[in-house]
Amino acid sequence: DGGITQSPKYLFRKEGQNVTLSCEQNLNHDAMYWYRQDPGQGLRLIYYSQIVNDFQKGDIAEGYSVSREKKESFPLTVTSAQKNPTAFYLCASRGQDSYEQYFGPGTRLTVT
Amino acid sequence: AQSVTQLDSQVPVFEEAPVELRCNYSSSVSVYLFWYVQYPNQGLQLLLKYLSGSTLVKGINGFEAEFNKSQTSFHLRKPSVHISDTAEYFCAVSNQGYQKVTFGTGTKLQVIP
Repeated sequence: DGGITQSPKYLFRKEGQNVTLSCEQNLNHDAMYWYRQDPGQGLRLIYYSQIVNDFQKGDIAEGYSVSREKKESFPLTVTSAQKNPTAFYLCASRGQDSYEQYFGPGTRLTVT
Repeated sequence: AQSVTQLDSQVPVFEEAPVELRCNYSSSVSVYLFWYVQYPNQGLQLLLKYLSGSTLVKGINGFEAEFNKSQTSFHLRKPSVHISDTAEYFCAVSNQGYQKVTFGTGTKLQVIP
């Protein structure tokens, strides 16, 4: 079954720790995206990558980092520099010449 | 720059009644428009999209939307809702280069039995 997996579903961390969220896709899609979702604010773009070994900052990249070493993987690291990291994080991918983004099930990160 | 406004944060509606979820956008260039649905604690799923052609677009689960260029709107409609339609709905816009997609703040549809 093709799709996008994000793990874990729930993640808890102490303040000051870096944490990496996993995103894997087997759809053979070139483009991948990371969004942050907060209640009442919709989805905000953190980073996106249109090809392996290349990525661009989105609207709220501060305090986050990504890598794209493989086509199927786009991990997101939430660093201690992110002031308010508690949120629901969504990963998505898109095929070339397609206008539809496919979303993973999300990771809910809680930092205390 | 492009932006999306979803005027209603919550819409309660009785089962089997019609519903309209409103979406307005702004952009200085031609756009593509999308509606996505999100069930609790899940990712988003595409309902329908407007790229070009007919301004009335039909999607999954009986939903449809109409692109109105003069009013810069892309409202989502369903003639008769079911309990299973209870979810959050997001309108989104991208330029035709599709570098980025901008999402609205979402509308929570609550279907009342």
